[in-house]
Amino acid sequence: EADIYQTPRYLVIGTGKKITLECSQTMGHDKMYWYQQDPGMELHLIHYSYGVNSTEKGDLSSESTVSRIRTEHFPLTLESARPSHTSQYLCASGPLGTAGRNSPLHFGNGTRLTVT
Amino acid sequence: AQTVTQSQPEMSVQEAETVTLSCTYDTSENNYYLFWYKQPPSRQMILVIRQEAYKQQNATENRFSVNFQKAAKSFSLKISDSQLGDTAMYFCAFMKGPGTYKYIFGTGTRLKVLA
Repeated sequence: EADIYQTPRYLVIGTGKKITLECSQTMGHDKMYWYQQDPGMELHLIHYSYGVNSTEKGDLSSESTVSRIRTEHFPLTLESARPSHTSQYLCASGPLGTAGRNSPLHFGNGTRLTVT
Repeated sequence: AQTVTQSQPEMSVQEAETVTLSCTYDTSENNYYLFWYKQPPSRQMILVIRQEAYKQQNATENRFSVNFQKAAKSFSLKISDSQLGDTAMYFCAFMKGPGTYKYIFGTGTRLKVLA
């Protein structure tokens, strides 16, 4: 049973379109992350947040932006999609504090994005 | 900077047999956390097992166990009595703690369990 939800599951769009990938979690987690993953490949951290109004860029340079206005919601936006953005995007969350030190990340099912 | 290396891109194992996936990491920290995650084909990534660096005892979860060698910076995953449902990508992950919550993932090992 998923406690972290990503929509859409699949998305095919044309070059130049603006898109927002949605991620919501119902666990009250403060930590939230966006990873980019090509099929069967490693995960690259592109954005993360430790709470409301906190966002940081990850290790992989990305043209996307994120916002964290509510604890449960962490959307990722691409202002102008390009074919190079074709990939899978995984959202994850986890608690902060003492519980967060060794607690696992909870992952969504991912959004598979194709830009034509 | 911390790095995580999984040197086996692909592995296969016969059903009911045992397989070990390797993971090494590089860090100068003394306090950190290690995880193994499983990503079945087209399905959600889930935690398999976790280990705190300050604990010497190796973690065990049913058929899954780790061999944590802190001095060698090694964190291998052993799967006993392999089942077809174990077929998945397995990712080793490192988190420095406390004070930071960035997870560093390895490149993954694709495991196929053969009937």
